[in-house]
Parts: sequence; C-alpha cells; structure tokens
Amino acid sequence: QQQVKQSPQSLIVQKGGISIINCAYENTAFDYFPWYQQFPGKGPALLIAIRPDVSEKKEGRFTISFNKSAKQFSLHIMDSQPGDSATYFCAAGSGGSNYKLTFGKGTLLTVNP
Amino acid sequence: EAGVVQSPRYKIIEKKQPVAFWCNPISGHNTLYWYLQNLGQGPELLIRYENEEAVDDSQLPKDRFSAERLKGVDSTLKIQPAELGDSAVYLCASSLHGDRGGSNEQFFGPGTRLTVL
Repeated sequence: QQQVKQSPQSLIVQKGGISIINCAYENTAFDYFPWYQQFPGKGPALLIAIRPDVSEKKEGRFTISFNKSAKQFSLHIMDSQPGDSATYFCAAGSGGSNYKLTFGKGTLLTVNP
Repeated sequence: EAGVVQSPRYKIIEKKQPVAFWCNPISGHNTLYWYLQNLGQGPELLIRYENEEAVDDSQLPKDRFSAERLKGVDSTLKIQPAELGDSAVYLCASSLHGDRGGSNEQFFGPGTRLTVL
C-alpha cells in the first residue's frame, strides 16, 4: 500500500521557470511533511518541511503548499536553475518526537539552461 | 562538523554470500535509521534505533537481515545470505532526540550501493 503518492515521475523545466511537484497522502495521522533533494551518488538532504498547522511555508526559492482537507502538498521551485537538477522526494511522518518517514517514489527534475 | 559516514560505498558480492555495512552517525545523534533504496524509488525504513535499542524493526526481513548498534553510536547492518533482489542502496540516517527540543531532521549518509551477482 503506497501511502504517499508523488507526481510527476519526471519533469523538465527551462531555466528561470517554475517547477511544481505534487504529493498526496492517505494516513491522517501524518503530521510532518518534508521534501528531500537527492543528487546522484549522494544521500537525500532535507530541503524544506511543513507541519499541518500552516498552509504554506517559503524558504528562498522553495515553497511548500499544504492542503489538509485534500490531503495534498506540493513543492514549488521558483526561478529554477540548472543546479536544481536532482531527484526530489516528498515524505510524510508520524510517531511523535522522532518521525517515521514514508517517502514518495521521487521526481527527477531536469532544468535546462 | 562531519556528516553521517558509511562504508563501504560500493560492494559487489556473489549471491548467498554474507555482507555487512557500517554507519557512524553525526556525533550526539541518538536516533539512527537504516533505509533501503531501490533504483527509482524512495527510501524505505528497515530499522530505527534510539540509542542502542531497536524501537522499530517491523520492516526488517529478519530471516536474513540483522542489525546492531552497540554502545548507541556506530551501527552495522548485515545480510546473510544475500539474494539477487537485495541489490540496492542502503542508506543510514541519524537525528537528534526530539524530546530534547532538537531538530527532528534526519541527516542521511551517502549510502552503500550493493550489487549481488
């Protein structure tokens, strides 16, 4: 049972454009929603995270939009750069102080110069 | 500050052979995680330690996989015997204990890429 569904599987964007990746979850017990960025040969690295008490969080060019009623959240990358080319994973966590994360399948983002 | 260290980075073995992966978490991080990442997939939790106690090993295939975290610092994940389907990247991550008000962020190591022939 896939508890976190991520789309699209791959995305190609021109430099300066907006990249949008979407995720949907099923388990209403989830209370922590991070996005991870992974470059080839590296482990995932936390990009930005949100809790369900807010609908949006922005850090630099990265924004998470969260819709609790729809059980959906998305990552927006503004002014996309070639250096943003990587695989992005959404995740959902629960379990109190140390979150057990369930990851989506990932989105391979390519930003063309 | 050093990140999560894993070794080896790559391992190629014949099926039915044993293999072990080692992880050194970030200093002071009480919680350690082992994840399995198949090609084109997100990481899947295998086991989570709080200090030396395995608090969640429900996804660990215990017939062939074992893990230990002696003294609550370094950890070893072992597969014996390895099967073709075990070919994947094995990721280790660590985080501060949340009850101390620290970050719940999980910091990942670079992983060990296992190929079983």
